[in-house]
Amino acid sequence: AQSVTQPDIHITVSEGASLELRCNYSYGATPYLFWYVQSPGQGLQLLLKYFSGDTLVQGIKGFEAEFKRSQSSFNLRKPSVHWSDAAEYFCAVGAPGSNYQLIWGAGTKLIIKP
Amino acid sequence: EADIYQTPRYLVIGTGKKITLECSQTMGHDKMYWYQQDPGMELHLIHYSYGVNSTEKGDLSSESTVSRIRTEHFPLTLESARPSHTSQYLCASSGSSGSWDTQYFGPGTRLTVL
Repeated sequence: AQSVTQPDIHITVSEGASLELRCNYSYGATPYLFWYVQSPGQGLQLLLKYFSGDTLVQGIKGFEAEFKRSQSSFNLRKPSVHWSDAAEYFCAVGAPGSNYQLIWGAGTKLIIKP
Repeated sequence: EADIYQTPRYLVIGTGKKITLECSQTMGHDKMYWYQQDPGMELHLIHYSYGVNSTEKGDLSSESTVSRIRTEHFPLTLESARPSHTSQYLCASSGSSGSWDTQYFGPGTRLTVL
C-alpha cells in the first residue's frame, strides 16, 4: 500500500533562514506529488505539484521542491523564510489508477523564530 | 481565489444528536471530497463524489453519509453523533473528472461531541 512519511512533526527556523521539509513516499512507480500548506484558520492551499519532467518544480510563495526518484523523496525548500510562512505543510501522493485519491502525510508544523 | 465554503466553522453538540455539515462551492467543480483531520495525523478521505448523484466511501470507515443532489452542494450528515466523531472535517473540490486537478479546500468544521 502507498504511504507518505513526513519525518519531522515540527521544525523551528529563524526568520530569513533557509528551510527544507522532508517527504518520503512508498510506491512502486513514480506517483503524482503535491505539497499543500495550511495556515491557521484557513483551508489547505496547493503550493506546488510534480507530475513529470524537470525534477525541480517551482511553486507559489517562493517555494520549490525536488523529486528524487532514487530516494523516493519530494522535499520542499525555501531559501529565506518569512514570519508569514508559519503554518502546517502537508505532502500528498497520488498513485495512477487510484481514482484520483490522494494519500497524505501527517504534516510538519513550521515555527518561525523572530 | 477558491470559493468553497463550510458551515458551521465550529460545532459543539451532545451525544445522540443528528448533525449536518454544509459544504458549497461556486467553481462548478465536478469532484468533491470530505476529509477527516485530527491533530498530528494525516488527512483521511471519508467520502467523495465525481458528480451529481455520485457518491463513494473513502479509505477511512465513517458512520457519516453524504449526498450530491446539486453540483455545488455536498453536505455530510451524522445521524447520531458520538464523542468518537470529535474531529475537524475538511471539504474540498476539484475540476474535471479524469485528472489530477488541484483540490481547493474549505476552512473546515471543527466538531466536538460531548
